[in-house]
Amino acid sequence: NAGVTQTPKFRVLKTGQSMTLLCAQDMNHEYMYWYRQDPGMGLRLIHYSVGEGTTAKGEVPDGYNVSRLKKQNFLLGLESAAPSQTSVYFCASSYMPWDEQFFGPGTRLTVL
Amino acid sequence: GIQVEQSPPDLILQEGANSTLRCNFSDSVNNLQWFHQNPWGQLINLFYIPSGTKQNGRLSATTVATERYSLLYISSSQTTDSGVYFCAVGRGGGGADGLTFGKGTHLIIQP
Repeated sequence: NAGVTQTPKFRVLKTGQSMTLLCAQDMNHEYMYWYRQDPGMGLRLIHYSVGEGTTAKGEVPDGYNVSRLKKQNFLLGLESAAPSQTSVYFCASSYMPWDEQFFGPGTRLTVL
Repeated sequence: GIQVEQSPPDLILQEGANSTLRCNFSDSVNNLQWFHQNPWGQLINLFYIPSGTKQNGRLSATTVATERYSLLYISSSQTTDSGVYFCAVGRGGGGADGLTFGKGTHLIIQP
């Protein structure tokens, strides 16, 4: 039981490049979430999904797109990366929206 | 949205000391979690505690939902307890899914 996994662990991009972060969970959870954490702060919600084929905006959605084509996977895309998107990105999942959320190990992204 | 305030922001203790971390939130919630983020950035679930009291070894937590606060107790601190402790709350299921995090309490345990 791997729980929540994230790929890649680290990435360096140049301004304007694009990339996709992959989150996978093996707990058959309906809900999945993407958060970002900036230095000295707590996590902030970017986008989330309430089930396969659905997505919704969180607190800081601008500059990101997401897709949930399969129940176990939740993708976060940056179409044109900006230095302001330098952050640590965490994925999480839960069975119901009021249930405990389980977090992945994070992806550290630097945009130069 | 919900406001989450954690106190104190920083805490330095000697090994063996006890501590109490507080989390205040501005609205009713149906989800409250405590996390420990270690110096390597890993986020570790400590408690899922929208109400009531739980204990896990040297750690325990209490949430008084009607008064909108939660407390995390750490007893007999060890250097491995160092890191940032986050409280996060949610009102999932009402169109406001996801957790809102506080800014954390930075705990340093000195040997």
